[in-house]
Amino acid sequence: GAVVSQHPSWVICKSGTSVKIECRSLDFQATTMFWYRQFPKQSLMLMATSNEGSKATYEQGVEKDKFLINHASLTLSTLTVTSAHPEDSSFYICSARAGTSDYEQYFGPGTRLTVT
Amino acid sequence: GQNIDQPTEMTATEGAIVQINCTYQTSGFNGLFWYQQHAGEAPTFLSYNVLDGLEEKGRFSSFLSRSKGYSYLLLKELQMKDSASYLCAVMDSNYQLIWGAGTKLIIKP
Repeated sequence: GAVVSQHPSWVICKSGTSVKIECRSLDFQATTMFWYRQFPKQSLMLMATSNEGSKATYEQGVEKDKFLINHASLTLSTLTVTSAHPEDSSFYICSARAGTSDYEQYFGPGTRLTVT
Repeated sequence: GQNIDQPTEMTATEGAIVQINCTYQTSGFNGLFWYQQHAGEAPTFLSYNVLDGLEEKGRFSSFLSRSKGYSYLLLKELQMKDSASYLCAVMDSNYQLIWGAGTKLIIKP
């Protein structure tokens, strides 16, 4: 149980275009979802936390107008990278938690974004 | 501020034992996690400690001392597939994970 999927697993897009990444909890309801970014040879960096039905909370330094997060249901959150630039190329990982009393975060497989 | 420290890189020999240390200073504590991450993949859960002491799970064990702000991950009978990065993370008072930079473990034959 506790499976999280991400789609797409990899994407290449041109500079200036927008890319949407989906994160789904397949067998549980995720009250909270997290979006991380990871550059090569670096650790995970939390971008934002989203709770179902409310606005996402962004970490300091993350542009909320550039990285649009929607958590419209208990099983789906989306991250849209708007007007992508080559420096946005990274590994984007989502994770989901069933509730505040559930300590474990379940990670998706990640999405590798390359902006040319 | 919040801080998690772990060594950047370690090297060990196949079949041996290695201990990866993690020290932390966080605002609140709701448990410490160890994750394994192979290159190009998402992290996978290894262990969770919220009380002091040693938790053993097969070849992997994790230890926690809350008074010292210290944990370690012990890997026994190392296999080549254990070559990966090992991430230490602490859940703070807001139930958010604070991540260490990870320890890259290199296993040599």
